[in-house]
Amino acid sequence: DTTVKQNPRYKLARVGKPVNLICSQTMNHDTMYWYQKKPNQAPKLLLFYYDKILNREADTFEKFQSSRPNNSFCSLYIGSAGLEYSAMYLCASSGTGSNTGQLYFGEGSKLTVL
Amino acid sequence: AQSVTQPDARVTVSEGASLQLRCKYSYSGTPYLFWYVQYPRQGLQLLLKYYSGDPVVQGVNGFEAEFSKSNSSFHLRKASVHWSDSAVYFCALSLTRNMGYKLTFGTGTSLLVDP
Repeated sequence: DTTVKQNPRYKLARVGKPVNLICSQTMNHDTMYWYQKKPNQAPKLLLFYYDKILNREADTFEKFQSSRPNNSFCSLYIGSAGLEYSAMYLCASSGTGSNTGQLYFGEGSKLTVL
Repeated sequence: AQSVTQPDARVTVSEGASLQLRCKYSYSGTPYLFWYVQYPRQGLQLLLKYYSGDPVVQGVNGFEAEFSKSNSSFHLRKASVHWSDSAVYFCALSLTRNMGYKLTFGTGTSLLVDP
């Protein structure tokens, strides 16, 4: 099974409210990623976990948090959603051991902030 | 900082015609290069990758791409497209292949194949 699952698929949030997005994979991959995708823009890497080590991009450092309680799960947390957070959030995973450069992506979680 | 440019936001071709989707990158060295495809209502999937060696790399479903260091390009080609190739194609690069791949994506090219 090479599936990455994301929940929820659609999320409606009010400005100022928290948002929690969940991702899971069963491929025993050591790395899990979160990308943000807005219309007509490139997917933008927000952060990734290599094993238990969290790496956050400098320009999104303060805006997003994440946790990885075990190898299979990874969450993306927004403490106080703003209108600019409306986007598709893509989770992906990869296995360094295979060294293929292949990231496996989920179908995405579409967040709309009102 | 590195970047990826896909100059064509939308491309329309007739079924059976040949295809080239353009990708230019900006990086002083030789990055690891990828093409991903996103079919409707699906996640992104890897088409092919280039690390080193032969500049022409083969991918799935008859796709190939050619790396050119002199042109800083990694164009995607297919000899004869099928209607099922209609999708969004993303070019991407990574500077690392250990402890994770930090992919920098282009904005994508939406391909429509007329049946």
